[in-house]
Amino acid sequence: DAGVTQSPTHLIKTRGQQVTLRCSPKSGHDTVSWYQQALGQGPQFIFQYYEEEERQRGNFPDRFSGHQFPNYSSELNVNALLLGDSALYLCASSLLGAVQETQYFGPGTRLLVL
Amino acid sequence: SQELEQSPQSLIVQEGKNLTINCTSSKTLYGLYWYKQKYGEGLIFLMMLQKGGEEKSHEKITAKLDEKKQQSSLHITASQPSHAGIYLCGADKSDGGATNKLIFGTGTLLAVQP
Repeated sequence: DAGVTQSPTHLIKTRGQQVTLRCSPKSGHDTVSWYQQALGQGPQFIFQYYEEEERQRGNFPDRFSGHQFPNYSSELNVNALLLGDSALYLCASSLLGAVQETQYFGPGTRLLVL
Repeated sequence: SQELEQSPQSLIVQEGKNLTINCTSSKTLYGLYWYKQKYGEGLIFLMMLQKGGEEKSHEKITAKLDEKKQQSSLHITASQPSHAGIYLCGADKSDGGATNKLIFGTGTLLAVQP
């Protein structure tokens, strides 16, 4: 049973560029959430996708956008990168409506913006 | 907004010693999650607590949620080097219904000296 997978593992970009991160949820899960974790901090919720639509959103600017595909996989896009966007980006999947909607996290993508 | 505070921020213990990590919320918790994270990696799900007074154990780790559902503790018995890492508590940011939108504490860094 494959867990949550993310790609790429590491990424280096320069300010102003755009980046796309990818996530495949755990088998049987239909909901994908994205989190940003700055160094020394806990993860911060970016947004959540269910049925190919953004279901909830945290306090992040519109430069952060996402997409969910029919196979439940998801992408996170960040435009006009800033130095402050450097962080570990985590994807978590869950099954909406499950008795215990535990979120399972992927290994993350480490983004460095120079 | 709901905030989670963890204490201590960091902890160094000798192998074989017991330890406790605390997580305190400013509001009633509806779903409290404990995760473990190796530096720069994804989060590993440990346990989820929902009911006041609930206690769960897995191997040498025990988590409790107090009756008022505003404080949780994670206790490790006879610590081992494999327990080293960052422990994060996360709460469902909800006023009653599960939303899968988690907020996290800043984490507790645990080092276990052989």
